[in-house]
Parts: sequence; structure tokens; C-alpha cells
Amino acid sequence: GENVEQHPSTLSVQEGDSAVIKCTYSDSASNYFPWYKQELGKRPQLIIDIRSNVGEKKDQRIAVTLNKTAKHFSLHITETQPEDSAVYFCAAWTTAGNKLTFGGGTRVLVKP
Amino acid sequence: DAGVIQSPRHEVTEMGQEVTLRCKPISGHDYLFWYRQTMMRGLELLIYFNNNVPIDDSGMPEDRFSAKMPNASFSTLKIQPSEPRDSAVYFCASSLRTGGKGIQYFGAGTRLSVL
Repeated sequence: GENVEQHPSTLSVQEGDSAVIKCTYSDSASNYFPWYKQELGKRPQLIIDIRSNVGEKKDQRIAVTLNKTAKHFSLHITETQPEDSAVYFCAAWTTAGNKLTFGGGTRVLVKP
Repeated sequence: DAGVIQSPRHEVTEMGQEVTLRCKPISGHDYLFWYRQTMMRGLELLIYFNNNVPIDDSGMPEDRFSAKMPNASFSTLKIQPSEPRDSAVYFCASSLRTGGKGIQYFGAGTRLSVL
């Protein structure tokens, strides 16, 4: 089945700096890659997603890049703010398994 | 729409007791997913339904766990008997479609503590 590795597990950045989270996946059949943000005690919420026919997608301060050949994708947060502090999960959808497999999560702390 | 609704929000029970978690998906969504979240194992898919039919239950840890979806607006996840290692946050999610065509919306979760 699909395996998604996410790094780093924790990330501390100064407010205003950029944060980058990287994920790799194992199943070349995976074709959809969402990113979820989970604030403390809250539910995971989708913040951005990318499909396998696109290399990059941007939404204001967040962007996601996808390298299908290398089977990895990344989340970029620019001009970080304290409210960006949360756990971020990447995921990969494989048509073979017809389900999402989540990475282990990255705890991001933005220091004011 | 009120989103995915889960109940109870918190459940504390003793080992050996039966626990039932409930979920109401977003109206019109054809897919319903049950996840378990722990520090050690992260976010794991337990089972998912399509049009009320269980499609993949390979993530259900053992026979003590069972899930049903008697109609399009209600699903249950039951643990009997419960054990301390079942302590976790259980999320229900629903989506209109599957894969890249359907965003999964999560409920607020049920925090289960088995003493």
C-alpha cells in the first residue's frame, strides 16, 4: 500500500520567515495530494491541494509543489504569522487503494 | 450546512465497557470515513463507506471494532470491549466524491479515554 513520509516532525520559525514541509510517497499511482492544518484541539482542515497534472499551486501565503518523478511534494508558507502555528499533515490519494494516506504530521511553531 | 457532526465530544469509560461513537455526515456526501488519531500512530483510516456500504475496513484494528452506516445521514463506530490502548481521538469525515474530486471534511472528533 501507499506510504507517506513527512519531514520535519517539528519546525520552529521566527515570525515573518518561511516554513517548508516535505513529504514523499511510495505509490506512483497516487494522483491527489491535499494538505491539512490542525490547530490544537481542533479538527484537520484542508488548506491547499494539488493534483498530479499540476507542478505547483499557490494560494496567498501558501504554496505546494509536486515532483512526480521524485515522488515528493512540499508545502511552503511565506511570511509566517503566529496563527500559522499548528500541526500540518500531508496526504496522498491512490486510486489503487482508493483512500487517503496521511503523513505523520509536522508541528509548526511560529515565534513572535 | 452544519458540517460533519460527531457525538459525543468526549467519552470516558472503563476497560471492558462498550463504546459507541456517532457521526452525521454532510448532507449529500456519498463517502464517509472513520479515522483514529494518536501521538504514536498519527492519523489512521479505520474504515470508509460509499453510499452506506463499507468499502474498505482494512484499517480496523481488530474484531472489537465495528462500524455501521444504516442510512445516508448516520454512522456508528463501536468498540466492544474497550481497552486502554483504544484511547485516542476518533474523527469522522465525509466527502462528495472520492479522490481528487472530493475534499474530505472532518468532524470535531470524539476524544475517547479508556481507563
